[in-house]
Amino acid sequence: EAQVTQNPRYLITVTGKKLTVTCSQNMNHEYMSWYRQDPGLGLRQIYYSMNVEVTDKGDVPEGYKVSRKEKRNFPLILESPSPNQTSLYFCASSLQEGVEAFFGQGTRLTVV
Amino acid sequence: KQEVTQIPAALSVPEGENLVLNCSFTDSAIYNLQWFRQDPGKGLTSLLLIQSSQREQTSGRLNASLDKSSGRSTLYIAASQPGDSATYLCAEWVGGSEKLVFGKGTKLTVNP
Repeated sequence: EAQVTQNPRYLITVTGKKLTVTCSQNMNHEYMSWYRQDPGLGLRQIYYSMNVEVTDKGDVPEGYKVSRKEKRNFPLILESPSPNQTSLYFCASSLQEGVEAFFGQGTRLTVV
Repeated sequence: KQEVTQIPAALSVPEGENLVLNCSFTDSAIYNLQWFRQDPGKGLTSLLLIQSSQREQTSGRLNASLDKSSGRSTLYIAASQPGDSATYLCAEWVGGSEKLVFGKGTKLTVNP
């Protein structure tokens, strides 16, 4: 089944404790991206990747890192999480920029 | 700045009613427009994708239209059912933007 898989689905952590949210797609898509969703603000892009080893900042990249060492995986790294990073995170992929996008099930992160 | 607006923010209808959800966008250099459904605590499910060269797309009881000249898209849901209750999001890919720009969504409640 074609899908985008994120892990974990739920995570509660403490301020400053490094964490990684994984994202994997099995559709051989070149384009992948991360969004966060917050009440009243909607979905905003954090980072995106056009292909392996090619990443760039989105609208709200501060406090996040990404890497794209393999085509299928695009992890989101929070090296020192803060409470303002409490949010619902989504990973997305598409064959290339500008075509149909597929989203993962989301990761609800709480930083206390 | 690209903006996508969805009005109304919430809509409540009785079961069986036909309804229209509205989406407006500011940038006419649109690659495509995608409609999603989001259930509480769940991911985004792609419903329909309309490419910039198309006027409409249909899937079952759903029909989406795109009018680039007026900057509008509509999602028509026929014979609504309680299971259609969800938040509906529209998002546009704009040429050169490397991201989907989302509206804040319309929360639909279909009452039995």
